[in-house]
Amino acid sequence: DSGVTQTPKHLITATGQRVTLRCSPRSGDLSVYWYQQSLDQGLQFLIQYYNGEERAKGNILERFSAQQFPDLHSELNLSSLELGDSALYFCASSVGRLGDEQYFGPGTRLTVT
Amino acid sequence: AQSVTQLGSHVSVSEGALVLLRCNYSSSVPPYLFWYVQYPNQGLQLLLKYTSAATLVKGINGFEAEFKKSETSFHLTKPSAHMSDAAEYFCAVSVSPDFGNEKLTFGTGTRLTIIP
Repeated sequence: DSGVTQTPKHLITATGQRVTLRCSPRSGDLSVYWYQQSLDQGLQFLIQYYNGEERAKGNILERFSAQQFPDLHSELNLSSLELGDSALYFCASSVGRLGDEQYFGPGTRLTVT
Repeated sequence: AQSVTQLGSHVSVSEGALVLLRCNYSSSVPPYLFWYVQYPNQGLQLLLKYTSAATLVKGINGFEAEFKKSETSFHLTKPSAHMSDAAEYFCAVSVSPDFGNEKLTFGTGTRLTIIP
């Protein structure tokens, strides 16, 4: 158990819909990262928040957005869903110091039908 | 920009044999390097990390990796494979010039199969 929690574990929805994935970081961690894992793209960094502020953006689509709340939990919002958005979405957290390891949650498996 | 190449998307070894999973990185500045393991239907678990303190890094479950700057490599090894080592292994690099900006760039992964 990494200490990072993600809900829900599974999500099945239709094209065009909007979903919200939730992540609670390990106690004491200030940085939250979102990654997408798919068969064709592998593991890709989406976005990072540090203590409530966006710090880095990766290959995140404009239809996707995220935020980190004052209690440090984070939400990833995916809208206008397409079949190709089906993937595993991981949240990771770290203290935020240079070289710190990231601890990953169990992931949310999103299936878009 | 940094990148990671994992040679061999599938590796099979016999139980008790040496495990060698290859990882080469590309970075214009000294990198931080990580190996993660992913068991089926689970998240990623950190095996070990390199942060320049020592070139030979020991991790969990008997794994270790050696950082070789001249070869830009960070190969993962285990002297004797166990059935429980069957999983997917990811090498990752982090290059962080700025505090609080430490995204991981992952390799494509290597699926390790252990033959009884």
